[in-house]
Amino acid sequence: GDQVEQSPSALSLHEGTGSALRCNFTTTMRAVQWFQQNSRGSLINLFYLASGTKENGRLKSTFNSKESYSTLHIRDAQLEDSGTYFCAAEETGYQNFYFGKGTSLTVIP
Amino acid sequence: GALVYQYPRRTICKSGTSMRMECQAVGFQATSVAWYRQSPQKTFELIALSTVNSAIKYEQNFTQEKFPISHPNLSFSSMTVLNAYLEDRGLYLCGARGQNTGQLYFGEGSKLTVL
Repeated sequence: GDQVEQSPSALSLHEGTGSALRCNFTTTMRAVQWFQQNSRGSLINLFYLASGTKENGRLKSTFNSKESYSTLHIRDAQLEDSGTYFCAAEETGYQNFYFGKGTSLTVIP
Repeated sequence: GALVYQYPRRTICKSGTSMRMECQAVGFQATSVAWYRQSPQKTFELIALSTVNSAIKYEQNFTQEKFPISHPNLSFSSMTVLNAYLEDRGLYLCGARGQNTGQLYFGEGSKLTVL
């Protein structure tokens, strides 16, 4: 089954605005990683979290293992933020990372 | 910093033939390597996890007979798609992590097109 449920599947933002992407987990996860996939298919590391919150520029991510979710907040969206964002979570007791189905983000001028 | 090089970037092969892809870790020791396939619909599937000094663990629907993997040292892994058919199309990605590194570092992927 799907261990990682990612939402929304698609998102449009006007430049300068912000929103949040979310991943819910159906099993206990020990860590989560967020990626942006560019047009060439490369996965760019955004965040790796075992707990708590991290911030990098206009991006902020939170991972709550007890409540089984993680979020990625984007603020002041820019055109270059367009792309597909994925979360991947590592199941507790295993070394496997399972991916969400992605969020396709389009930033509109 | 940690980098993962993956090659070839793309392969076009005829149905029934095979494709081998390689993954090189630079700047860290890849104690485990996970191989994924991303379908044309963008969904990721974990194929197998290879950990040095442990048996390779294949996920359901993936077998060693179809996707043999080699992980001979801490900087290199390879995987072959044997007898490729249309359903094997996609972007194959290797993700490597070190003993002291929790996160996965991905190569740029190997895109397989089957004619």
